Amino acid sequence: AQSVTQLDSQVPVFEEAPVELRCNYSSSVSVYLFWYVQYPNQGLQLLLKYLSGSTLVESINGFEAEFNKSQTSFHLRKPSVHISDTAEYFCAVSDSSGYSTLTFGKGTMLLVSP
Amino acid sequence: DTEVTQTPKHLVMGMTNKKSLKCEQHMGHRAMYWYKQKAKKPPELMFVYSYEKLSINESVPSRFSPECPNSSLLNLHLHALQPEDSALYLCASSQVISSSGNTIYFGEGSWLTVV
Repeated sequence: AQSVTQLDSQVPVFEEAPVELRCNYSSSVSVYLFWYVQYPNQGLQLLLKYLSGSTLVESINGFEAEFNKSQTSFHLRKPSVHISDTAEYFCAVSDSSGYSTLTFGKGTMLLVSP
Repeated sequence: DTEVTQTPKHLVMGMTNKKSLKCEQHMGHRAMYWYKQKAKKPPELMFVYSYEKLSINESVPSRFSPECPNSSLLNLHLHALQPEDSALYLCASSQVISSSGNTIYFGEGSWLTVV
């Protein structure tokens, strides 16, 4: 069985500051990792994913995440956040052992203030 | 085009009503999903269809009845719901359900309130 831990339920940050949202996973087999973003009163949007290859993956809006197998982590980073980045961020994992359903972390609310 | 469309966006229903949530995708995906999301919580998997057949039912009460009429459509029939069933219901799809890291794409969700 796999699991995902997002230790920070809420991360407040000022606009233009850097941010890191932490995600750790647990699995006995190979994993695929995802970050989804949920803006207020909306559905989930895929932000970025790691399937294989380069351990550093980037999104089109400036976020990046690095897969670290030894630390079982997939932290999300952005060097300079905007007010519009305020949202709930979910880390999710699926593994290679069966159906590709997702196991989600509890989510981290990123609050960007002026 | 990575779009999953859900209707209605908002639904208020009484505990004796029968209603349905609808989901549509035109990406050629053969796996479709229903998730339930309560406020401030992550989505919880309810059902998975693979090639129009129910593959996973996560012990969901029978007052929720899924249906997959064809490869593009997924319905969730609701009957005799309880107020605690009020939540955001998310439909999703992926190419297939096999274990190769297929990306799951979500719709905007249907907000359900049971009164």
